[in-house]
Amino acid sequence: AAGVIQSPRHLIKEKRETATLKCYPIPRHDTVYWYQQGPGQDPQFLISFYEKMQSDKGSIPDRFSAQQFSDYHSELNMSSLELGDSALYFCASSLGSRETQYFGPGTRLLVL
Amino acid sequence: DQQVKQNSPSLSVQEGRISILNCDYTNSMFDYFLWYKKYPAEGPTFLISISSIKDKNEDGRFTVFLNKSAKHLSLHIVPSQPGDSAVYFCAARRGGNEKLTFGTGTRLTIIP
Repeated sequence: AAGVIQSPRHLIKEKRETATLKCYPIPRHDTVYWYQQGPGQDPQFLISFYEKMQSDKGSIPDRFSAQQFSDYHSELNMSSLELGDSALYFCASSLGSRETQYFGPGTRLLVL
Repeated sequence: DQQVKQNSPSLSVQEGRISILNCDYTNSMFDYFLWYKKYPAEGPTFLISISSIKDKNEDGRFTVFLNKSAKHLSLHIVPSQPGDSAVYFCAARRGGNEKLTFGTGTRLTIIP
């Protein structure tokens, strides 16, 4: 079965640079979620979109923005990167909001 | 403030025996709970969930028990298999919200 696709899988950036992470949900899934998992920590919710509208917001820095496009894929844009942004970023999707979330493999971001 | 806690960072179980993973939560507004399994370099994989209106849900080798009065849930895996070796996260969701709040994870090792 098709799963959530995230690209790139690995990304190395320098401080103050920008990064764009992409997420392609499971076909027919209309809800996308972004989570950040720091080293040795549990995943922390950042933001979610349902039918291309922001539906919930967590501890997402103002330097980050995200959107969901007409084909339901989503992009997380991160600007003025800081060392502390180094983490694993997971995208999840669900069919309908508040349904079971299925996770992608994650993008590992390293900020030098 | 860790609202979902997994107090055992690691657990080792003999193959064929029962694995019991525990999770406690503090927020009484949580009404839906999930267990995810995570292998290294992969995203969390959904295992099983339970609504707060139930106290037990079973799916094959996996059973989740919920004790609302104690704010405690557990995942039972019977019989345990080597492929079950992974990090297990419990997650909770409160009514009206979409975001999942994760526990810190328990690393389960199945000993052949």
